[in-house]
Order: sequence, then structure tokens, then C-alpha cells
Amino acid sequence: EVQLVESGGGLVQPGGSLRLSCAASGFRFSIYDMHWLRQPTGKRLEWVSVVDTDGDTSYADSVKGRFTISRENAWNSLYLQMNSLRAEDTAVYYCARGPRRSDPGVGSFDIWGQGTMVTVSS
Amino acid sequence: SYELTQPPSVSVSPGQIASITCSGDKLGDKYACWYQQRPGQSPILVIYQDNKRPSGIPERFSGSNSGNTATLTISGTQTVDEADYYCQAWDSSTAWVFGGGTKLTVL
Repeated sequence: EVQLVESGGGLVQPGGSLRLSCAASGFRFSIYDMHWLRQPTGKRLEWVSVVDTDGDTSYADSVKGRFTISRENAWNSLYLQMNSLRAEDTAVYYCARGPRRSDPGVGSFDIWGQGTMVTVSS
Repeated sequence: SYELTQPPSVSVSPGQIASITCSGDKLGDKYACWYQQRPGQSPILVIYQDNKRPSGIPERFSGSNSGNTATLTISGTQTVDEADYYCQAWDSSTAWVFGGGTKLTVL
């Protein structure tokens, strides 16, 4: 079964850090570009970041310089290191298999994890 | 920045046709995707590249995209189709962008 399972969410104070993980199974993880997206409660989905198969990355302007995406193909795992967290980063964070960074207009987010909640509050 | 606009809600009777629109500047020049999200669950891809259905998605789901509007059509709508639906496209100014979502009510 193709599956993505996120972990690492929780409550953190403003200015704090958190590291999210995503474990992939059921497909050849190393040949796919992988993404993080987020969704504040009751709001629209927002793309956050992508790492391609070569390890090259892109970020949404809202998180650039604060978040770092990475992957470990040997462990079929995706990560998101989040620093300098703000209240507006509060959301459910999803990892997803998605469009190629090199051809972004063609693909879609075809596999999603169940999400992990991140709450930034004092 | 690029924006996609959806109606907040659409209501339909069981067995009827539901149409959900998504508007964006020259959206027809891009590929549009659609996602279904039931309460408390993750999104599911139901349409990609304007009008293609992933494996396992019922034939009653279809899509079109022309001009400034993409449309998701559900024929013979069932109560199980009640969910939020999000359109999505890519633009060089905003990367991957989603619409605000449409709550489909089947009653």
C-alpha cells in the first residue's frame, strides 16, 4: 500500500523550532519529488516547500529562510525543519508526493499523508 | 501574485449534476487539478491535467478548463460526495496555488 505518515507536530512557543518527519512506503521514494503543504484550520491549502530527486529545494516566500526541507532516500524519509516559528505557521502540515520541480505545471499532488498539527502559541 | 477563486458553497440534490467552478487569469493556459477533502481527512486527488481521473476515482467525476475557468462536474451526485473541493494550478509568480475551496452539500 502506498502510504505517507507524518510525525513531529505539537505545541511550540513563538520563536521556537520543530522538526517534522514523513515516512514513505509502498513506492520508490527516491525517484519522486516530495513536498510539504499546510492548511490552517478552516482555510485553504498552502504549498510550503519541495525537494527534488537531486536534493534541490524551493520554498514559499512565507517560509523562506526559516524552514528547511530535506530527504533521506536510504530511510524513505522526508523532513521539514522549522525555525523562528510564528503564530501564522499554525496549521496541519501534510507531506505529499507531487509535481516535479523541473516541470511544475504538469503534475499534481497524488499521494498525501494524514497530516500533523503544528500549533505556535505562548 | 496568482489567485484562484471558488464559490464558497454549492448545493445539489442526490442524483443531480453538481458543477464547481474555479476562476483565475488565463487559467485555461495552465493545467488544473481538483482535490476532495472530507472533514478531518487529507485531500484526495480526483482530477488532474484538467480532465483526467486517477485510478479509483468514479467515472461520475469529470473536469474541463477553458478561458479563465476550470470546472469540476459530478454527475449523479451521491451523499458520499459531500466534501470540500479545492482547485489547484501552478504559476511562476506563486508556485503551486490552491483555490479557497467549495463546500459541496448534497441534500
